[in-house]
Parts: sequence; C-alpha cells; structure tokens
Amino acid sequence: EVQLLESGGGLVQPGGSLRLSCAASGFTFSSYAMSWVRQAPGKGLEWVSAISGSGGSTYYADSVKGRFTISRDNSKNTLYLQMNSLRAEDTAVYYCAKMATGYGSGSYYTMVDYWGQGTLVTVSS
Amino acid sequence: DIQLTQSPSFLSASVGDRVTITCRASQGISSYLAWYQQKPGKAPKLLIYAASTLQSGVPSRFSGSGSGTEFTLTISSLQPEDFATYYCQQLNSYPPWTFGQGTKVEIK
Repeated sequence: EVQLLESGGGLVQPGGSLRLSCAASGFTFSSYAMSWVRQAPGKGLEWVSAISGSGGSTYYADSVKGRFTISRDNSKNTLYLQMNSLRAEDTAVYYCAKMATGYGSGSYYTMVDYWGQGTLVTVSS
Repeated sequence: DIQLTQSPSFLSASVGDRVTITCRASQGISSYLAWYQQKPGKAPKLLIYAASTLQSGVPSRFSGSGSGTEFTLTISSLQPEDFATYYCQQLNSYPPWTFGQGTKVEIK
C-alpha cells in the first residue's frame, strides 16, 4: 500500500524558514517523480514544485522560485521541501504527491496518483 | 504558463442528477488533463487521467472527454458521496502543471 507521510509544518514568522519532509513507502521511490502541491485556507490547489526520480531535474512555480528548494534522498525514501524567505501568502496545507504515468488515449500520460494527508504551514507574526 | 478555467465554480444539484463540469485551457494540451475529487479536510483523489481514462477503482458514473483546449467531467447520476470539489489539472510536457480553480458540487 502506497503511503506518503508529511511532517515539518508549523508556525513560522515572515522571512523565516521551514523544511518539510515526506516519508514514502509501498512503492519503489526512486522510480517516480514527486511533487509538492499546496492549498491555502479555503482556496484551490496550487502546484508548487516537482523533482524527477533521480533528483536530477527540478521544477518550480514562479511564486516560489528562488525561495523554495525541492530535493529527495532515495536511500531514505524521503522527499523534502526547503522553504526560505517565507511570506504570509505561503500559508497553506502542503501535500506531498506521487507522480505516475498511465496509458490512455493512445499514449502515455502523467498524473498524481497518490497524495499525502498534508501538513499545515502558517506564516504569521 | 498554461491557464485552466473551470465552469461553473459552484453548482447545486440533486441526487440522481447528471452533472457536467467544463475545463478550458489557454492553449492546446492534447489529452494531458486529469480530474481530481476533494472532500473537506481530505487530500484530493484521482478520478480521470489522459482526459478520459478512468482511474482504477473509480465508479463508472464518472467520465471525462475532450482534447485540445476544452474538456468535460460528467457524473451520470450524482450520488450522496459525490458532493465535493472537483479540480482539473494540466500535465502537458514539463511543469508548471497548473490546476483549475475548482468546482464545488453541493446538494440542492
């Protein structure tokens, strides 16, 4: 059974830093790209960042580029999100998400097939 | 970046109703579209990928269609457990993989 367990959320002051972790189990972690997706209170989903299975390729939303760093430790089956220079608008539940590739409509397509339960990050003084 | 616009943002429907949600992309994305269901306080759940392929375990009353810039999610006969918020996401080639703003389906 695939499990994704986030940790590291909490209350931080504006300008502060926080590191989120996501412990993965139930699948071959290094074979799959992973993402972070966030959801501000009462708002919709926002894709934040993604990393390839090897960790060699990383991608960021413009809203976090230069402030957040995604990484992974395949020996520990763990995904990370280092968040620096935090702002009030970064307040959200952060979800760890497993990417997958499925066959449909005559080709292969990417999707998020599993999500963690989320960890709340609150940026406030 | 590719923008997704869902309509309506909110809909009120009764059990047994046929419900259709639309997602429009700002540029063509072939069939690189997924649909998710989210209930309050819970993580999203994958319903459909590749615009029309039903994820394993998802009831057949859910279906997806479309290609290019216009997509639809249809629930053929709304059940009590289907009252939730639905999101489309485009996963065209490389990130950013944007989401639509969501459609909340409530009980009439």
